[in-house]
Amino acid sequence: GAVVSQHPSRVICKSGTSVKIECRSLDFQATTMFWYRQFPKQSLMLMATSNEGSKATYEQGVEKDKFLINHASLTLSTLTVTSAHPEDSSFYICSARVAGGIQYFGAGTRLSVL
Amino acid sequence: QKEVEQDPGPLSVPEGAIVSLNCTYSNSAFQYFMWYRQYSRKGPELLMYTYSSGNKEDGRFTAQVDKSSKYISLFIRDSQPSDSATYLCAMSGSGNTPLVFGKGTRLSVIA
Repeated sequence: GAVVSQHPSRVICKSGTSVKIECRSLDFQATTMFWYRQFPKQSLMLMATSNEGSKATYEQGVEKDKFLINHASLTLSTLTVTSAHPEDSSFYICSARVAGGIQYFGAGTRLSVL
Repeated sequence: QKEVEQDPGPLSVPEGAIVSLNCTYSNSAFQYFMWYRQYSRKGPELLMYTYSSGNKEDGRFTAQVDKSSKYISLFIRDSQPSDSATYLCAMSGSGNTPLVFGKGTRLSVIA
């Protein structure tokens, strides 16, 4: 299957700082990528849909100014958590869509805000 | 009624058992069906993909889709301790819409 690389895998930061997470499709081009958040023992919660060359589409209740998404190329989407606070601590996962609606996921980023 | 219902378990079976995991859904427009496996603190890994109704087999894994009943299944034969993970069903109506996920079933295979 296709490979999606997500970096970093683990981030610990102080409250008020910004954190950038990168999601790359390594062996294919992805016009659409997705960003999810996952709390312990819960399913994936879609945060936003990232389309190359255009603005991201955010799900209801997700603050677009808080979670900045940039999809500048066909192989890279970034999520920046701005002015992070402890309540932003979570597991963030990206995915890239290929033909037939299949999505391949990155390994996830565990964010801890102190 | 949620769009996709999946029993969260946990499900515990002895090594070698046949495991049956299921999801039901309400949206008749769904036609792309997937099963993902997620280990703790990792991203989901695609296991099986089925378009429309039918069966698909890959090694020890078999996926079944019954669109008339809005019911999908994943069977794992000769289960191994390494199969212990959370299994997520996912589906969408077209290739351009986000996947809708079940809540996931936590499976433990005991040696």
